[in-house]
Amino acid sequence: AQKVTQAQTEISVVEKEDVTLDCVYETRDTTYYLFWYKQPPSGELVFLIRRNSFDEQNEISGRYSWNFQKSTSSFNFTITASQVVDSAVYFCALSESNNNDMRFGAGTRLTVKP
Amino acid sequence: DVKVTQSSRYLVKRTGEKVFLECVQDMDHENMFWYRQDPGLGLRLIYFSYDVKMKEKGDIPEGYSVSREKKERFSLILESASTNQTSMYLCASIGGGLGNEQFFGPGTRLTVL
Repeated sequence: AQKVTQAQTEISVVEKEDVTLDCVYETRDTTYYLFWYKQPPSGELVFLIRRNSFDEQNEISGRYSWNFQKSTSSFNFTITASQVVDSAVYFCALSESNNNDMRFGAGTRLTVKP
Repeated sequence: DVKVTQSSRYLVKRTGEKVFLECVQDMDHENMFWYRQDPGLGLRLIYFSYDVKMKEKGDIPEGYSVSREKKERFSLILESASTNQTSMYLCASIGGGLGNEQFFGPGTRLTVL
């Protein structure tokens, strides 16, 4: 079965600092999908990005960027010039090719202080 | 926009009560999921359903059951609530093929006294 590890339980930074959230995954599938979700204090999970296992191209979206490396089974998420509104719990998740059920990491709570 | 709604944001029940958590999605999605979220453990999959009247156990099904009589509705049932079922419960749905993102409801925070 698939497994996702987010080793960082909590991270605290000061506004405008860059921060990287780590995600390491395990799967025996050669085709799989990786996701990042944001859970703000309101509680509802918000989808941020999806990557399939054949697409190792890194992606940048504004202040957000994602680094997918199959060689190290990692899918890390970087926020550049962090803002207070980035404060949330961030979840990394994995689904395999034969089903749609998703496995989540334990989450990383990011606090950005003014 | 996909909308996933859950019947209650907050719920307080007593030990031994039967509890129903309802989830409705409005985008004709085939797949629906129930998770519980606990600090330090992330989201853990309780049950999921890929079609009406179909259900599959997730990682922590003990103490729970589900019902999917209509495509848009997926219910989570606690037959006899216990204090260790105090948690945040999240419902999600997904449509289309494999690898699509899940859409989540706002969650139900259940407290069992």
